[in-house]
Amino acid sequence: ILNVEQSPQSLHVQEGDSTNFTCSFPSSNFYALHWYRWETAKSPEALFVMTLNGDEKKKGRISATLNTKEGYSYLYIKGSQPEDSATYLCAFEVSGNTGKLIFGQGTTLQVKP
Amino acid sequence: KAGVTQTPRYLIKTRGQQVTLSCSPISGHRSVSWYQQTPGQGLQFLFEYFSETQRNKGNFPGRFSGRQFSNSRSEMNVSTLELGDSALYLCASRGVRGENGEAFFGQGTRLTVV
Repeated sequence: ILNVEQSPQSLHVQEGDSTNFTCSFPSSNFYALHWYRWETAKSPEALFVMTLNGDEKKKGRISATLNTKEGYSYLYIKGSQPEDSATYLCAFEVSGNTGKLIFGQGTTLQVKP
Repeated sequence: KAGVTQTPRYLIKTRGQQVTLSCSPISGHRSVSWYQQTPGQGLQFLFEYFSETQRNKGNFPGRFSGRQFSNSRSEMNVSTLELGDSALYLCASRGVRGENGEAFFGQGTRLTVV
């Protein structure tokens, strides 16, 4: 059974704090690692899709790194803002002829003004 | 470009009934996946369809089934509903795999079984 784990489960920070989350995934059968942001009452939205070991992606104040050999990815948010409050999901995409994504349980971030 | 559309948004059914949920993907996307989210659980993969073929199925009982039509629209059916089937059901469409292969999600169908 392929398992994806995220930590921490939840996080409360003050506006302006920087924070990071971890996603652990299997190091075999890897095709890609996805990160999504899911705000309350909305649909999950993609942040990054990464395929190469050592890859780093950045979008504004948010960045992500990927280590496929040891099976982990970090998501960083620099200078958190209240609008960053959401659940952040990572998903492991299995190799092969399939579009299957295996999601972690998510990290819920609350940023206090 | 229209997003992923799921209907209905909310549904209340009685135990033992069956239900059909619909998902219209982004135009041009041939892959449609379905996920279930229950309280305390992450998104659980139900199945994925590509060009009308089921490519993969998650660990759910046979009461959960789906299909995809030639226009890529997909339906998911749950028969003999149980209380534990109460959940948010999300569908997602994708155009390609790889670094541009993000999933686009619909707003979900909230199913309540009473």
